[in-house]
Amino acid sequence: SQKIEQNSEALNIQEGKTATLTCNYTNYSPAYLQWYRQDPGRGPVFLLLIRENEKEKRKERLKVTFDTTLKQSLFHITASQPADSATYLCALDKDSNYQLIWGAGTKLIIKP
Amino acid sequence: GAVVSQHPSRVICKSGTSVKIECRSLDFQATTMFWYRQFPKQSLMLMATSNEGSKATYEQGVEKDKFLINHASLTLSTLTVTSAHPEDSSFYICSARMSNQPQHFGDGTRLSIL
Repeated sequence: SQKIEQNSEALNIQEGKTATLTCNYTNYSPAYLQWYRQDPGRGPVFLLLIRENEKEKRKERLKVTFDTTLKQSLFHITASQPADSATYLCALDKDSNYQLIWGAGTKLIIKP
Repeated sequence: GAVVSQHPSRVICKSGTSVKIECRSLDFQATTMFWYRQFPKQSLMLMATSNEGSKATYEQGVEKDKFLINHASLTLSTLTVTSAHPEDSSFYICSARMSNQPQHFGDGTRLSIL
C-alpha cells in the first residue's frame, strides 16, 4: 500500500531564510499531490496542488516540486516569516473517488 | 471562496451520549464530503466518504453503526457518534469538495467523552 513519509522532527528556520519540507512516497506515482497547512486545533488549509505532469508550481512565496522518479515532492517557503510557523501536510490521491492519503506532517518553526 | 463550516468546535459529554457534528459547505455545492479523525501528532485518518443522496462508504475498521453519516444535501453532512465512550475522544474533521477541486476543511470538532 502507498506510504507517505514526512520528516517527523520539527524544522527550525531563521526568519527570512527559505524553508524546505520533504514528502516521500513509496509505491505508485499519484496523479496529483497536494500540500496543506494545519495550525494547532484547526482544520488543514489547502495551499497547492501539483499534477504528475508538472515539475514545479508556484504561488506567491510558495513553491512545490514533484519528482516522480525520486518519488518525492519538495515544498519551499521563501523569505519565511514567523507567521509561516505551522504543520505542513502532504497528501496524495488514493483513487478516482478523490480520496487522499496523508502524511503525518512536518512542524515548521520560523524564529524571528 | 470554498468555506466549510463545522459545528460544534468542542464537545464534552458523558459516556453513553450520542453526539452529532455538522459539516456545511457555505459557498459551494459539495459533490463529496469526507470525515476524518486525527490523533495528536498523527496524520488524518479517513473514516468515511459521503456523496449526497447515497450511503456513505466507510473505511476498513470504522463501524458504520457507531459513526452514522447522513449527507442530506449538497451543502450538509452530519456525523453522529452513537453511544460515545472515552475511546471515541478525538479530533474529528470534515472536508468537502466539488468536481475537480481540492478538499476544503472545516475547523474540526474536539470531542471529549468523560
